[in-house]
Amino acid sequence: DVKVTQSSRYLVKRTGEKVFLECVQDMDHENMFWYRQDPGLGLRLIYFSYDVKMKEKGDIPEGYSVSREKKERFSLILESASTNQTSMYLCASSTTGQGGYEQYFGPGTRLTVT
Amino acid sequence: QKEVEQNSGPLSVPEGAIASLNCTYSDRGSQSFFWYRQYSGKSPELIMSIYSNGDKEDGRFTAQLNKASQYVSLLIRDSQPSDSATYLCAGCFNTGGFKTIFGAGTRLFVKA
Repeated sequence: DVKVTQSSRYLVKRTGEKVFLECVQDMDHENMFWYRQDPGLGLRLIYFSYDVKMKEKGDIPEGYSVSREKKERFSLILESASTNQTSMYLCASSTTGQGGYEQYFGPGTRLTVT
Repeated sequence: QKEVEQNSGPLSVPEGAIASLNCTYSDRGSQSFFWYRQYSGKSPELIMSIYSNGDKEDGRFTAQLNKASQYVSLLIRDSQPSDSATYLCAGCFNTGGFKTIFGAGTRLFVKA
């Protein structure tokens, strides 16, 4: 079974703090993703990575950065947390193959910025 | 702009009935589609993948794909209260690289 883990289930941070969210997958997947999910807005892609040290902006990258130093690990960084970054953050991974890319999600981190 | 659209619901069905969830998409070049189930407060869980036209069955779930009409559906037979969740449809598009786009989800309630 694919396993994707995230460093925290719940996190409370203050405005202006630097926040690190970490994701680890154990299936040797090439692709990793960070989404945020907000009521009424669905899943929105922040960043993704298709290889170590590679990253691509998603639909809403502003205020975020990412790091992928090892294949199994993908970190999301909020440089200076703001209240509008309060959200559920979901990490996912997928392999690369003909026909499609099934994404497997971690349990999510519910971040509250006060 | 590639899109995947779903009726947000809620869709309410009685226990034991067939629940039918539908999804349409805008790009004929889509190669594969996925259905995810998401319980409240939890992360999405992959339940079905479908790559070619026709039906694909897995237990009580059947995914249907019709590329000519650009729709995907998920049928849940013998619906149970535990099936109550939001169901996300996703399509994988080839845009020079593969990109997965998620629909907004349909909320399903199964009444005991």
